[in-house]
Amino acid sequence: EPEVTQTPSHQVTQMGQEVILRCVPISNHLYFYWYRQILGQKVEFLVSFYNNEISEKSEIFDDQFSVERPDGSNFTLKIRSTKLEDSAMYFCASIVRAPPQETQYFGPGTRLLVL
Amino acid sequence: AQSVAQPEDQVNVAEGNPLTVKCTYSVSGNPYLFWYVQYPNRGLQFLLKYITGDNLVKGSYGFEAEFNKSQTSFHLKKPSALVSDSALYFCAVSLSAGGYNKLIFGAGTRLAVHP
Repeated sequence: EPEVTQTPSHQVTQMGQEVILRCVPISNHLYFYWYRQILGQKVEFLVSFYNNEISEKSEIFDDQFSVERPDGSNFTLKIRSTKLEDSAMYFCASIVRAPPQETQYFGPGTRLLVL
Repeated sequence: AQSVAQPEDQVNVAEGNPLTVKCTYSVSGNPYLFWYVQYPNRGLQFLLKYITGDNLVKGSYGFEAEFNKSQTSFHLKKPSALVSDSALYFCAVSLSAGGYNKLIFGAGTRLAVHP
């Protein structure tokens, strides 16, 4: 069964450093998402992406964040200058179509720790 | 504001007993409701969803959920709990924004099934 994959599974970085989190969505999916889960808190929407453009972003997704689909398979989330409060589990999700009744499929997550 | 509430941080159940994990929602328009499960150090796994039609939805691993429009609830149920069901359960509502959907999650409920 096709899966969303994410690398790395864990990332430790120093405050102020740039990190890139990588995701490979399910191959025939066209819509891509990043969500964040700070330890002990709810999963929060960060950004949605379609047709090489951001379709929606949350208040969390400020200028320090960017997303890209550099080739036909990868979908990346970049944090330019990490802050302590960026420490969280980051989930990628993908979906084949946009309507709200469609199921989003999530990757296993990348646990980011900013020191 | 559109939101999802999971009133219980933790639910404790003895193995073999029925379980219920509660979820209520507040959305405008038709609600598209989802349950996801998160096992330790794993991603979010889709369990089931309500789109329309039958109020009782059956999903993976013997779980089902009952949609109640008048009570704006979507409680997750299982007739006989297993120790392996112990995990973190998230209720979510899918919102359509500008033609693209995103998930709004509840805070999560930790289910502990005791032998």
